[in-house]
Amino acid sequence: GQNIDQPTEMTATEGAIVQINCTYQTSGFNGLFWYQQHAGEAPTFLSYNVLDGLEEKGRFSSFLSRSKGYSYLLLKELQMKDSASYLCAVLDSNYQLIWGAGTKLIIKP
Amino acid sequence: GAVVSQHPSWVICKSGTSVKIECRSLDFQATTMFWYRQFPKQSLMLMATSNEGSKATYEQGVEKDKFLINHASLTLSTLTVTSAHPEDSSFYICSARWTGDYEQYFGPGTRLTVT
Repeated sequence: GQNIDQPTEMTATEGAIVQINCTYQTSGFNGLFWYQQHAGEAPTFLSYNVLDGLEEKGRFSSFLSRSKGYSYLLLKELQMKDSASYLCAVLDSNYQLIWGAGTKLIIKP
Repeated sequence: GAVVSQHPSWVICKSGTSVKIECRSLDFQATTMFWYRQFPKQSLMLMATSNEGSKATYEQGVEKDKFLINHASLTLSTLTVTSAHPEDSSFYICSARWTGDYEQYFGPGTRLTVT
């Protein structure tokens, strides 16, 4: 079966750094997405990785290791507005997105 | 670019009635549209995938006669919840993509409450 695992909830302090991990087992792989979702709103795109390595975009970076079935989202200089759920999703062999359950990130002052 | 709208943003209906939700791609032609449902504190659950001009492909456990999906044009898909019941109350989100791009662009969602 297809499976994506990410922690249910994480807490971090404003100004700090947090890493949200995602491991996956899917039928085929055509890339991995990270989305941010604030409560009551639709997801917004953060990053897409299809090759191994680190992609940096401002305060957010995303890493992928295809051989390990592993990715992480790194958030630096945390701000209160970063409190949200972060969704990991894998594009499988049929180009369907398989979604993780999401990680709720709580930022404390 | 790549803006997707949904209408209405929220709707309250009585049990037994039907409600239609529209999803529009405003600045691109959406060859594929997706409908998701999300219950509180849970992740997105894909309900169905629709390609323009074709019948929708429903995920296992989703009743196609209850959730009618129409994707009649490259910019519009509709989801009709027929004979709605309180357990259908949820946040319904559509997304769209065009051929060759695998990123999905999400609409703002529709909150449905069935009383």
